[in-house]
Amino acid sequence: EDKVVQSPLSLVVHEGDTVTLNCSYEVTNFRSLLWYKQEKKAPTFLFMLTSSGIEKKSGRLSSILDKKELSSILNITATQTGDSAIYLCAVGWNSGGSNYKLTFGKGTLLTVNP
Amino acid sequence: GAVVSQHPSWVICKSGTSVKIECRSLDFQATTMFWYRQFPKQSLMLMATSNEGSKATYEQGVEKDKFLINHASLTLSTLTVTSAHPEDSSFYICSAREAAYQPQHFGDGTRLSIL
Repeated sequence: EDKVVQSPLSLVVHEGDTVTLNCSYEVTNFRSLLWYKQEKKAPTFLFMLTSSGIEKKSGRLSSILDKKELSSILNITATQTGDSAIYLCAVGWNSGGSNYKLTFGKGTLLTVNP
Repeated sequence: GAVVSQHPSWVICKSGTSVKIECRSLDFQATTMFWYRQFPKQSLMLMATSNEGSKATYEQGVEKDKFLINHASLTLSTLTVTSAHPEDSSFYICSAREAAYQPQHFGDGTRLSIL
């Protein structure tokens, strides 16, 4: 069965700390790995990774994919209280023909305390 | 850019009622939209994939007669929960993408409570 596993499930840090969130996957016909941030409502898109070893960066957030290890990490440096959210990892894969869809992990709940 | 609007955000209704949820892509044309269901502390579970102008593709275990999906235009998909019962209470969230292999962008979700 295809699956996406995130760790840790929850994490509490202080402002200014650096955190690393993990995502591992086992899917057939892998195409991409995506990270989303979910606060109160809609998940908002952060990164899409398709190539191994190439870091994507946006401000204090960065992510990298390791296709050999079937995993990805999301780093957040100098955390702020506004970073508190659930971070979702999703893997895009082809389920047949051009039917491309996402399978989500359960998410990592990050709490940043002042 | 890439804004997806979902309405209503919150519905409470009696058992047996049918409820329609709308999902609109506001600033792009969505060839494909997706409907998910999310239980507390669980991941987003894909219910169905909706392609404009064709029938939706439902995931295994999702009753197509219970969850009717219509994708009549490139900016609008609707999910109708027919004859809803308390076990249908959940958080329903839609997403849309502009083209194959592009990121999905999500609506704010609909909290459905059936009494």
